[in-house]
Amino acid sequence: DIQMTQSPSSLSASVGDRVTITCQASQDISNYLNWYQQTPGQAPKLLIYDASNLATGVPSRFSGSGSGTHFTFSITSLQPEDIATYFCQQYDTLVTFGQGTRLEIK
Amino acid sequence: QVQLVQSGAEVKMPGASVKLSCKASGYSFTNYAIHWVRQAPGQGLEWLGGINGGNGKTKYSHKTQVRLTISRDKSATTVYMELSSLKSEDTAVYYCAREIWEGTEMTHIFPFWGQGTLVSVSP
Repeated sequence: DIQMTQSPSSLSASVGDRVTITCQASQDISNYLNWYQQTPGQAPKLLIYDASNLATGVPSRFSGSGSGTHFTFSITSLQPEDIATYFCQQYDTLVTFGQGTRLEIK
Repeated sequence: QVQLVQSGAEVKMPGASVKLSCKASGYSFTNYAIHWVRQAPGQGLEWLGGINGGNGKTKYSHKTQVRLTISRDKSATTVYMELSSLKSEDTAVYYCAREIWEGTEMTHIFPFWGQGTLVSVSP
């Protein structure tokens, strides 16, 4: 199975900061990579699909890039409502998720 | 609007089976695949498998394929997942999720999710 390694596992940042999360695939997955946001007690929410496409209704401060094995997810100008756990997900071969990045406000 | 409504919480003994449902509405059921994803307490997300709403073709993760059966009832626009030989490690919230694009091939991009069903496995 393809392994997805996310870093960091947790992150503390201030409102207005730029935040970046990375996801490394154990093999080439082209651009078959999605990013989700999950708040406690809620289902995940799709933010980015196919590595760089913004999902419907998602604010433009969220973005994604990368291809092959290395991917990045960014939030420009962090907002209080962005406090959540973020997961990457590959779907090149079946589906696997990264272990998640917990984002906190400093 | 797309809605996925899941069945209620379950408490099971080790070795038992559990069958969960996911009632879909607000779109053409046979045009989209629905998948199951679970999340153990305080842990990450684990994809279990999916089913095409039209042709019923299924796909499973290597880890659970032996114990997992995903099915659908087109007339009821409902997808089911049955997990057998339950272990304590199966304690989790189970989510159903619908794909983004319609078609016969699964796309594995999930913009629509159910509310989740807690399954607790304990002696």
